[in-house]
Amino acid sequence: EAGVTQFPSHSVIEKGQTVTLRCDPISGHDNLYWYRRVMGKEIKFLLHFVKESKQDESGMPNNRFLAERTGGTYSTLKVQPAELEDSGVYFCASSQEPNRIYEQYFGPGTRLTVT
Amino acid sequence: DQQVKQNSPSLSVQEGRISILNCDYTNSMFDYFLWYKKYPAEGPTFLISISSIKDKNEDGRFTVFLNKSAKHLSLHIVPSQPGDSAVYFCAATRTTSGTYKYIFGTGTRLKVLA
Repeated sequence: EAGVTQFPSHSVIEKGQTVTLRCDPISGHDNLYWYRRVMGKEIKFLLHFVKESKQDESGMPNNRFLAERTGGTYSTLKVQPAELEDSGVYFCASSQEPNRIYEQYFGPGTRLTVT
Repeated sequence: DQQVKQNSPSLSVQEGRISILNCDYTNSMFDYFLWYKKYPAEGPTFLISISSIKDKNEDGRFTVFLNKSAKHLSLHIVPSQPGDSAVYFCAATRTTSGTYKYIFGTGTRLKVLA
C-alpha cells in the first residue's frame, strides 16, 4: 500500500511569489491534515479535511494560505503571496475512520524556502 | 502558549541502556497521547500511543507511561539501539473535539551511541 506522498519535496521561491504544495493521502483515507514545522520548532496543525470538507482550519496563519481537496482525494495548499516567515517544512497526514482513528500517517514533507 | 512541552532538546544514551524521553502538557482536556519518531528528510512515523484511561502501554521495547495528575508522560526505550537515533515528538489530542488534530511538542533528539 502506497503511503502519503507530497510534491514537491523542495521548493525555493522569492518573497511575493506563489507556491502550490500537493498531498496525495493513502487511498481510502477520509481524513487529511496539513501541518507545518518552522525552524526546528514544534509541528503545528494547519487544517483538517474530512473528504472534501474543511473540518477545522483554525491553524491557518492568514488568508494568504488556501487549501483545497478536490473530490475528497488529493489536496493542495497554496501560499500567495509568500512571505519569509512561511519558510518551513509542510507535512501532510491522513487517517481512516473508524479503524486506527487516532493514528495519522505522515508524508515526507515539502521543504519551502522563501528568499 | 505551548500546550505540549518537551524540555530536553537532546539526549545521548549508550547502546543497550534505557532511554527516557519526557513530555509535559497543560491542557487537561487532552485524552489521547502519541509518540512519533522522525528521521531526517522523512515524515514522522507513529511509534506508540496511550489513552488517558490508562497509565501504561507497552509495545516491544517501547513503553509509554502517563501520569494524569502531573500532566506528564514519558517514553521508555529498552534496550536502546543505534537505529533508535532520531527526533521523537510527543503529541496530544482531544478525541471529543471531532477533529483529532495533534498538538505536538518541539521534539527531543535521541542519539544512541554504539
